[in-house]
Amino acid sequence: EVQLVQSGAEVKKPGESLRISCETSGYIFSNSWISWVRQMPGKGLEWMGRIDPSDSYTNYSPSFQGHVTISADNSITTAYLQWSSLKASDTAIYYCARSWIAGSYSHWGQGTLVTVSS
Amino acid sequence: QSVLTQPPSASGTPGQRVTISCSGSSSNVETNTVNWYQQLPGTAPKLLIYSNNERPSGVPDRFSGSKSGTSASLAISGLQSEDEADYYCAAWDDRLNGYVFGAGTKVTVL
Repeated sequence: EVQLVQSGAEVKKPGESLRISCETSGYIFSNSWISWVRQMPGKGLEWMGRIDPSDSYTNYSPSFQGHVTISADNSITTAYLQWSSLKASDTAIYYCARSWIAGSYSHWGQGTLVTVSS
Repeated sequence: QSVLTQPPSASGTPGQRVTISCSGSSSNVETNTVNWYQQLPGTAPKLLIYSNNERPSGVPDRFSGSKSGTSASLAISGLQSEDEADYYCAAWDDRLNGYVFGAGTKVTVL
């Protein structure tokens, strides 16, 4: 069974750094891209970027380029999303998702709530 | 402003058919396949339709997708109370070199 299990909720202050994780199992990690999707409170889904775990190639949405970093560790089949300096506007639920057929996302993590507040 | 345009809401009574539209452009819907996701309140999104009109295993055949030109649509026939959710269309955008979602449509069962 394919599973994506994300790290727990975080509460941070503006300017702090953060890395959240997405631990995968049940499939060959290097065979599928992993993407990150943001959902701000009461809002829709926004694609942030993706990583090809086979070679760590990444591409980002222009809206998130330079503000977040996506990485992956093949040895523990885990993907990461990190910030070096959080802003209050980063408060949101973040989902990881596994690419499947025709660019669709067949499996999703349960989401990680990130709250940034002074 | 989302690259893909969806109506903010749709509604119907149990048993009715509801259709949700998704309007895009030549750089996304017209040239790439469209996927649809269902998000029940408080849960992660779930893939409902892929490759314009294919259903993953386990998705009821009440859900169907179609695409023509720069527009796509999701139809829910035999609407049920458990279909109350937000529905998102999505596609790869060649100009943006990224995946784009519609703003979502909230379906209410009256």
